[in-house]
Amino acid sequence: KNQVEQSPQSLIILEGKNCTLQCNYTVSPFSNLRWYKQDTGRGPVSLTIMTFSENTKSNGRYTATLDADTKQSSLHITASQLSDSASYICVVNNDMRFGAGTRLTVKP
Amino acid sequence: KAGVTQTPRYLIKTRGQQVTLSCSPISGHRSVSWYQQTPGQGLQFLFEYFSETQRNKGNFPGRFSGRQFSNSRSEMNVSTLELGDSALYLCASSWRTGLEQYFGPGTRLTVT
Repeated sequence: KNQVEQSPQSLIILEGKNCTLQCNYTVSPFSNLRWYKQDTGRGPVSLTIMTFSENTKSNGRYTATLDADTKQSSLHITASQLSDSASYICVVNNDMRFGAGTRLTVKP
Repeated sequence: KAGVTQTPRYLIKTRGQQVTLSCSPISGHRSVSWYQQTPGQGLQFLFEYFSETQRNKGNFPGRFSGRQFSNSRSEMNVSTLELGDSALYLCASSWRTGLEQYFGPGTRLTVT
């Protein structure tokens, strides 16, 4: 069983709407959690990185939250744009335990 | 500042052959990590090098190996290629282990 589970697997939303992606992990001990955005055919781009002492971190319209007690993280995207269409990947710890990603499609 | 560069971008090899992929990190970055990405398995960590030493290793067979040079450039080698090795191989660099990683565009390897 993967130690990093992401949901939903895929998501379709309309341009301008908000959405929230989930990441639950069982990795222990926990050091840090990263969210990446990966456009098709390109390398992932870091959105946020949080350690266990951080609850929230923002990067423009992207806001990540972390609850180290419940081992859950979320990535909230505000006022979505067509360019947000991509895969969003949650990664735990320095040895890079990857989630399977959420494929987000933003439609006009 | 130039980003992470990977060469070649595309490669086609035959089963049984070996291949070497190259990664040049962002100037000043001393940590280089390698990943394999396939539709079925997603992103998987191969190994990380820092100051020419392997610091972390994923769960891949010994056919996958790597090294890092004194200028932080890294190479990854896969010997005795199998069809299942077809994947996008990504390299990422950072100042040091645990810090934000910057990914290259990847090398698309196809094994026939």
